Amino acid sequence: DTAVSQTPKYLVTQMGNDKSIKCEQNLGHDTMYWYKQDSKKFLKIMFSYNNKELIINETVPNRFSPKSPDKAHLNLHINSLELGDSAVYFCASSRQGSPLHFGNGTRLTVT
Amino acid sequence: AQSVTQPDIHITVSEGASLELRCNYSYGATPYLFWYVQSPGQGLQLLLKYFSGDTLVQGIKGFEAEFKRSQSSFNLRKPSVHWSDAAEYFCASTPTDSWGKLQFGAGTQVVVTP
Repeated sequence: DTAVSQTPKYLVTQMGNDKSIKCEQNLGHDTMYWYKQDSKKFLKIMFSYNNKELIINETVPNRFSPKSPDKAHLNLHINSLELGDSAVYFCASSRQGSPLHFGNGTRLTVT
Repeated sequence: AQSVTQPDIHITVSEGASLELRCNYSYGATPYLFWYVQSPGQGLQLLLKYFSGDTLVQGIKGFEAEFKRSQSSFNLRKPSVHWSDAAEYFCASTPTDSWGKLQFGAGTQVVVTP
C-alpha cells in the first residue's frame, strides 16, 4: 500500500495551460505539504495544510493554489503555467513532531 | 534563520568502501535533523532522524549519523556501501514552531563504482 501517492507521475503541458496534481495519504496524518524540487535538485516548501487549514504559505506565485478537500488529500492547481514552473513537485504528510513521508513526485515539464 | 549546508556536491566511492556525508546546520535552538535519500526517479525516503538523546542514531539500510553540537554537524556514515546506495542524499532540519517546514541542504550525489 502506497502511503503518499501523487498523480500524475509525469505531466507535460504547454505554457499558459492550467493543470492539477493530486495527492492522497493513507497514513492518518493531519498535516500535508507541497515541496518543489528545481532543476538543481534544491528542495523548498511551498505550502502546508493541517486539517484542511492552510498553515504554511511560502512566497509562491498566486497562480499556485492548494486545495484540501479533507485531511487525506491535498491537491495543487497551477494556472497559466510558465516555463519556470518546470520542476518536480513532491507531496508529503506528517503528524506534528514526526518526520515527513514523501510521495514519489510529479515531474512537470512546461513547453 | 536556520540553514543546512552539505559541503560535498558529489562523492564517488568504491563498492565495499566506507562512506561519510557531511552536513552542517545553523540553528539557535536544538535542531531536529533528518537524512533523506532520493534514488533516481523516486521520492524521498527517510534514512534516520535526530531529535534528542543519544547522539549516534541508527537508521535504515545500515546507515548511521552522529550529532555533534560543538561542530554543528550531523554527518551520515555507512561502513560498507553497496551499488544500490548510489543516490542523492539530503540533510534537512525543521523548526519546532513551524513543524514540517524543512530546510534542506543542496544534496550530495553518491556514485558507487565496482
